[in-house]
Order: sequence, then structure tokens, then C-alpha cells
Amino acid sequence: GAGVSQSPSNKVTEKGKDVELRCDPISGHTALYWYRQSLGQGLEFLIYFQGNSAPDKSGLPSDRFSAERTGGSVSTLTIQRTQQEDSAVYLCASSLSFVSFAFGSGTRLTVV
Amino acid sequence: AQKITQTQPGMFVQEKEAVTLDCTYDTSDPSYGLFWYKQPSSGEMIFLIYQGSYDQQNATEGRYSLNFQKARKSANLVISASQLGDSAMYFCAMRDTSGTYKYIFGTGTRLKVLA
Repeated sequence: GAGVSQSPSNKVTEKGKDVELRCDPISGHTALYWYRQSLGQGLEFLIYFQGNSAPDKSGLPSDRFSAERTGGSVSTLTIQRTQQEDSAVYLCASSLSFVSFAFGSGTRLTVV
Repeated sequence: AQKITQTQPGMFVQEKEAVTLDCTYDTSDPSYGLFWYKQPSSGEMIFLIYQGSYDQQNATEGRYSLNFQKARKSANLVISASQLGDSAMYFCAMRDTSGTYKYIFGTGTRLKVLA
């Protein structure tokens, strides 16, 4: 596609439920990143994919968070047993080169 | 560890004036890249400008320029002739080249352009 696509754009879920967030990167971009942005805060790194492998998952807050990438393309971020502190905007970005780095429009997750 | 610091949580500027948004960074790696992003109220992250650590000249992109002072480890964004549409959150970021390749972001500066 022309840009990084994320779905859903908004998600409201009940505490304790599992959610899946999807990211479709720019075609051909080998690197994919997930970030989290809490209200009024900066961007918190979660995980980085190169192809289908994740050489850096140091930012995942807990074992309730996991992510996978298949076919070197689409990535899914899964949050199990959601908590209210998980409420944030989850941003995905993809990159082909050192300079080129494009963000999706994010998924706004609200845990009630 | 790499770190980005933006010390101005909020800034005001009069329309048509120039404004400088501060960014300092910390890294021991000789090779790195510095970026500025704009995040309007709509939430998308818009790439503005890039500076490589080995670039000899300061980067410029239209009304945006990056005042790169390597010895001081600063990479301030200068916006000339501010427009009302420049009101947004601005993030400074650095590409981590220590092997993990993640981009590290500052906490951002909220810019408000006054008519």
C-alpha cells in the first residue's frame, strides 16, 4: 500500500479481555516497529522486527504483550488480559533504510 | 545508553516569526541519525527533517532547518515564518545504532502559533 495501515483505528475493550492490533507496513519495508504513546506522553518503544524475526523486544512491558510478523509483512500486536494502564495509542512504523521511517495513524486502545 | 532530551514542554510563537525547538542527545556511537517529527492533533506522525552524524552541512527542508552542533550534541529544529498550521507536538528522535536499530524519541515540545 501507499502508507502504513493500522487497524482498528479505535478499540474499546473490557478489562481482562485480549486484543489484537494489526499493522500492514509499506510494501517492501523490511523493518517494522511498534511504539506506544500514552496521553500527552512521548513514544515508548515496544518491539522491532527485521523480516519475521524480532531482534529487539526489550520494550514489551510485560509477558501479557506479544507480537508476531508473518511473511515479512503484516504484524500483529496482542495484549492479553488487558489492564486500564494499557490504554494508549499504539503506533506502528516501517522502514526500508536508515533514513526512511514511516508511521501509521495508530490504534487508540481504551480499556474500561 | 542513548537518550534524547527535549526540555521545552510548551512553546508559543507569533505567526510569521521564527522559532527554535531544542533537542539534545547522548550517544557514544560515532554513527547515528537525528530526526524531527510533527504530530498534529489528528495524531499522525509526520517526518520533517533528517540529519546524519557525518553530514557536513545542516539539513534544511523548506521552512525547517536543523541546527546541528555535534560537539554540544544538540540538534535544534528551527521553523522559519511560522504558520498557524505549525501548531502541533514536535518530537526529536535518534536512530539507535548500537545494534538494536530502534528509534529513541524525546518527550516532545508542544508548539502553539499565535495569530
